[in-house]
Amino acid sequence: GAVVSQHPSWVICKSGTSVKIECRSLDFQATTMFWYRQFPKQSLMLMATSNEGSKATYEQGVEKDKFLINHASLTLSTLTVTSAHPEDSSFYICSARLNSYNSPLHFGNGTRLTVT
Amino acid sequence: AQRVTQPEKLLSVFKGAPVELKCNYSYSGSPELFWYVQYSRQRLQLLLRHISRESIKGFTADLNKGETSFHLKKPFAQEEDSAMYYCALSAGNQFYFGTGTSLTVIP
Repeated sequence: GAVVSQHPSWVICKSGTSVKIECRSLDFQATTMFWYRQFPKQSLMLMATSNEGSKATYEQGVEKDKFLINHASLTLSTLTVTSAHPEDSSFYICSARLNSYNSPLHFGNGTRLTVT
Repeated sequence: AQRVTQPEKLLSVFKGAPVELKCNYSYSGSPELFWYVQYSRQRLQLLLRHISRESIKGFTADLNKGETSFHLKKPFAQEEDSAMYYCALSAGNQFYFGTGTSLTVIP
């Protein structure tokens, strides 16, 4: 149980275009989902905490107008990279947790974004 | 403030040798601690959590509140243990990860 599906697995886009990444909790409801960015051979960098039905909470230094997060239902959160630039190329990972206190995170497979 | 510290970025041990991946945390309340593992080209997955007190793949981790540590241990390392390991702390709705330790088990 507790499967998180992330789509697409990889995407290539041109500079200036927008890309949407979906994160779904398949067999559980997730009030909270988290979006991370991972650079090669480095740790996870938390970008934002996505709360169902309310605005996302962004970490310091993350542009909320560039990385739009929508969490419209208990099983779906989306991250849209707007007006993408080559420096946005990265590995983006979402995670979700069950609606219980201190429950563990379950991770999606990640999305490799390449902006040309 | 850094909540979770993993002092070793890289760790290499020989197959069959004991391995310990260090994790220290900083939190005034009662945190929930986890170890996650990321094998090559795979997603992050939960390895174990302190509350369950179980051994997974031969790994154990004991929460030491006095030393604020949650070190991950295995008595005999295997080649398939080579991976990236992350210590994590959950405090309510927030989740904090350490910077990770890359473990290489040398055959």
